[in-house]
Amino acid sequence: SQTIHQWPATLVQPVGSPLSLECTVEGTSNPNLYWYRQAAGRGLQLLFYSVGIGQISSEVPQNLSASRPQDRQFILSSKKLLLSDSGFYLCAWSHSSYEQYFGPGTRLTVT
Amino acid sequence: GQQLNQSPQSMFIQEGEDVSMNCTSSSIFNTWLWYKQDPGEGPVLLIALYKAGELTSNGRLTAQFGITRKDSFLNISASIPSDVGIYFCAGQLLGSGTYKYIFGTGTRLKVLA
Repeated sequence: SQTIHQWPATLVQPVGSPLSLECTVEGTSNPNLYWYRQAAGRGLQLLFYSVGIGQISSEVPQNLSASRPQDRQFILSSKKLLLSDSGFYLCAWSHSSYEQYFGPGTRLTVT
Repeated sequence: GQQLNQSPQSMFIQEGEDVSMNCTSSSIFNTWLWYKQDPGEGPVLLIALYKAGELTSNGRLTAQFGITRKDSFLNISASIPSDVGIYFCAGQLLGSGTYKYIFGTGTRLKVLA
């Protein structure tokens, strides 16, 4: 069966510091991968998605970036965090069946 | 970003009651997904719908893909306290040529024992 991992689970970072969140998927190959952000009590905002290694589509202009160095690895990065980057970051994967599955999330607090 | 209209925004119900929520759009979708999210966790997929008019059940949950392809409904029968959480709909736009999903704004459900 397929599983999706995210780490770290929680992170507290000062403004201006760099960020790296990692997501890995097991049990499938060539998945579509997604990064979402969820503000407290709000819906999900799509940040990036990828249909293959090195292929990244950005949905929202901001100081975040994404990379896909391996088939089942998706990384969310920032060179300098802003207060507004705080939130709950969710990684997800899907396949041709169109069902999308989420990871456990990373709670990021920028202080 | 684009979001689906989901209603109600929140609801308080008594244990044992049935619950209904829906998502609507002016656009046509080829897939509808329904999720439940508990606090501090990732959303969990409940039901997936692929055909207009499709009615699918998962235990006490039943969801339908609207005939017009512009809406979807989720019903929960005989609610229990563990049904509490936020329910999201999500859909893929027909002919979008991408693998993006648009999400509803969520329905926050609270069940009173």
